[in-house]
Amino acid sequence: GEDVEQSLFLSVREGDSSVINCTYTDSSSTYLYWYKQEPGAGLQLLTYIFSNMDMKQDQRLTVLLNKKDKHLSLRIADTQTGDSAIYFCAEREAGNMLTFGGGTRLMVKP
Amino acid sequence: KAGVTQTPRYLIKTRGQQVTLSCSPISGHRSVSWYQQTPGQGLQFLFEYFSETQRNKGNFPGRFSGRQFSNSRSEMNVSTLELGDSALYLCASSLEGTSWDEQFFGPGTRLTVL
Repeated sequence: GEDVEQSLFLSVREGDSSVINCTYTDSSSTYLYWYKQEPGAGLQLLTYIFSNMDMKQDQRLTVLLNKKDKHLSLRIADTQTGDSAIYFCAEREAGNMLTFGGGTRLMVKP
Repeated sequence: KAGVTQTPRYLIKTRGQQVTLSCSPISGHRSVSWYQQTPGQGLQFLFEYFSETQRNKGNFPGRFSGRQFSNSRSEMNVSTLELGDSALYLCASSLEGTSWDEQFFGPGTRLTVL
């Protein structure tokens, strides 16, 4: 079946870049997403990439997609303490169903 | 424009009881999806409703059910609650539920089963 995997934890210093990685298995995925979840809150869509793209940049966020390796990454430039949260990648399959990874907890140290 | 709202935000029930959670989508959105989030299983898709019809369903037992009203508001019901049903239940709405529609998530309802 479909599976999306992420590393559990990432710690960086304020001002550094963060890179969060994700692998997925469904080659028919149309869109791939990055969501952010802060404590006690729902999911906030950060950015997404269509499966025929290699890269997408949106202010401090850069998404890279390697379709051959089914690898997705999210780079956050100049990471701030307010970026501390759990980040989920998700793939969208047929219909409106999202399959999420387990989430990567990003901790930003001052 | 108001976001997705979910009520109640917190709920405590005991085993064997049933519970109904409510989700009001963003105005104009016709698709509502429900997800369960637990520490062990992560985020899992429950079902999606569009125009009052269940369009997609995840791999959950029949104790989990839902419905959608003509104003697109949706409810989900869990009967005969089990301890493992303790979770954050998230609702998401989108315009038509097509692949290119963004899904907007509500803050969730945290259900604790004792």
